[in-house]
Amino acid sequence: GAVVSQHPSRVICKSGTSVKIECRSLDFQATTMFWYRQFPKKSLMLMATSNEGSKATYEQGVEKDKFLINHASLTLSTLTVTSAHPEDSSFYICSARDLTDTQYFGPGTRLTVL
Amino acid sequence: GIQVEQSPPDLILQEGANSTLRCNFSDSVNNLQWFHQNPWGQLINLFYIPSGTKQNGRLSATTVATERYSLLYISSSQTTDSGVYFCAVGQNSGNTPLVFGKGTRLSVIA
Repeated sequence: GAVVSQHPSRVICKSGTSVKIECRSLDFQATTMFWYRQFPKKSLMLMATSNEGSKATYEQGVEKDKFLINHASLTLSTLTVTSAHPEDSSFYICSARDLTDTQYFGPGTRLTVL
Repeated sequence: GIQVEQSPPDLILQEGANSTLRCNFSDSVNNLQWFHQNPWGQLINLFYIPSGTKQNGRLSATTVATERYSLLYISSSQTTDSGVYFCAVGQNSGNTPLVFGKGTRLSVIA
């Protein structure tokens, strides 16, 4: 099956710093990738849809200036959490859809902001 | 938007037992996937099943699209089956993301 990677898997940072998370589709091209956030013991919450070569589409309530998304190529999307605060601590998961319409998920990035 | 409800929310099984997890959705869909989230957070694709029946080893799934539900069957459960099972649905294709249910938390005890 298709593989989606994420880097880093875990990051701890100080409040006020920015953190970049990379999401790559390793063996297929994805014109669309998705970013989700998951709180402990909760379901996945869609943050934004990342479109290659154009601006991301953000869900209601998600600050686009806070969570910068760039989809520079058909295999790479990045999420940058700017000026991170403790409330941004969460598990961030990306996904990509292949040509069969099946959505595959990365292993996630656990962000802890001190 | 579309609503996805999963039941039961929690399930405890003795090793070797069988179980059925249910996913109801509020509107017609053309994408339905079942996932298993392991203790490390990784979402494992189980089935892509917008309709019909599929089987993979001890797991099988059935989606009755006209009645807007899907079932995931786990037979002869093992402790490694523990985790959260999510049903996610999508309408249309391309840019439309999957909408997740709240999941079923399964614990299989030896």
